[in-house]
Amino acid sequence: KQEVTQIPAALSVPEGENLVLNCSFTDSAIYNLQWFRQDPGKGLTSLLLIQSSQREQTSGRLNASLDKSSGRSTLYIAASQPGDSATYLCAVGTGNQFYFGTGTSLTVIP
Amino acid sequence: DVKVTQSSRYLVKRTGEKVFLECVQDMDHENMFWYRQDPGLGLRLIYFSYDVKMKEKGDIPEGYSVSREKKERFSLILESASTNQTSMYLCASSPWTGGPHEQYFGPGTRLTVT
Repeated sequence: KQEVTQIPAALSVPEGENLVLNCSFTDSAIYNLQWFRQDPGKGLTSLLLIQSSQREQTSGRLNASLDKSSGRSTLYIAASQPGDSATYLCAVGTGNQFYFGTGTSLTVIP
Repeated sequence: DVKVTQSSRYLVKRTGEKVFLECVQDMDHENMFWYRQDPGLGLRLIYFSYDVKMKEKGDIPEGYSVSREKKERFSLILESASTNQTSMYLCASSPWTGGPHEQYFGPGTRLTVT
């Protein structure tokens, strides 16, 4: 069974810093990988989807990379803002379902 | 924009009650999913459906059942609610393109069983 790990569990940075969130998975036979943002008490908002044939995807200040062979993905956030404070989750598409990490809780301090 | 809606944001039920959680999507997606989310455990898949009247068990199906009579609607049923089913329930949908594609989530239902 696919296992997904996100480290660190929590991260606190001053506003304006660039930061990297990590996601690792045990089975490299994936179909795709999706990054989400979740605000407290809310549902998940999709940020980026990377297909297994892709190396990276970009949306605004966000850049996600995928290295299937090493079982890793990173989410890079440039010039962080207080509004970026949320929990970030990665989900790995394998077979016909997704497996989720437990998330990284990000706090951006003004 | 894809829209996934869930029937209730907050729900309080008593132990032993039968509980229905409804999810509707408006993008003609083949796949629909029910997850529960608990602190420290992340999202765990309860059931998913890849077509009308088709369903497959996820990782934690015990105590739950599902129904998909129409493509746009996927219902989660707690046959006899118990306190350990207090949780956040999240519904998602995705198209099928030969594999699991981008998931879209509803706002969630916070269920409390007393």
